[in-house]
Amino acid sequence: DGGITQSPKYLFRKEGQNVTLSCEQNLNHDAMYWYRQDPGQGLRLIYYSQIVNDFQKGDIAEGYSVSREKKESFPLTVTSAQKNPTAFYLCASSPGAGANTEAFFGQGTRLTVV
Amino acid sequence: AQSVTQLDSQVPVFEEAPVELRCNYSSSVSVYLFWYVQYPNQGLQLLLKYLSGSTLVKGINGFEAEFNKSQTSFHLRKPSVHISDTAEYFCAVRLANQAGTALIFGKGTTLSVSS
Repeated sequence: DGGITQSPKYLFRKEGQNVTLSCEQNLNHDAMYWYRQDPGQGLRLIYYSQIVNDFQKGDIAEGYSVSREKKESFPLTVTSAQKNPTAFYLCASSPGAGANTEAFFGQGTRLTVV
Repeated sequence: AQSVTQLDSQVPVFEEAPVELRCNYSSSVSVYLFWYVQYPNQGLQLLLKYLSGSTLVKGINGFEAEFNKSQTSFHLRKPSVHISDTAEYFCAVRLANQAGTALIFGKGTTLSVSS
């Protein structure tokens, strides 16, 4: 089945540790996105990438890093510099850079700092 | 920059009643508009989208939305809701005719359907 796979579904991290969230898609989509979701805040854009080896910061990029070495993969690293990393993280992709395409979402990763 | 405002954070309704979830957007240029639904601990699923043409857009699960350019609104409606419609709903906007941009989301509306 084609889709977007995020792993793991639940992740626990100790304060001060970096952690990497995986996002893989087999939809052959060019564009990929990372959003953070907090209760009552909606979805806020962290990073996005329109093509391989290129990405742009979103509204809340501080404390996060990404890479786009392969078209199908867009991992997100939450660094120790992120002050409040506990949240639900959603990865998405869309067919191209065109504005008239919707985004398709993964099932999310819930990160908890303990 | 564009933005989205969902006017109600929570909407409680009884089963089989009609419902309207309100969404207003702000943009100085043309936009494309989307409604997504999210069930607990899951990703988002597209309900419907407005790109151009008819201002009344029909989506999945019996939902529809109307684009009103003069009022910069894109309200979501369903004539008769079911318990299974209980979920969080997000309105989103993207600049039209501008490649390389991401969807911008509102803060969401929680729809609670009770019997």
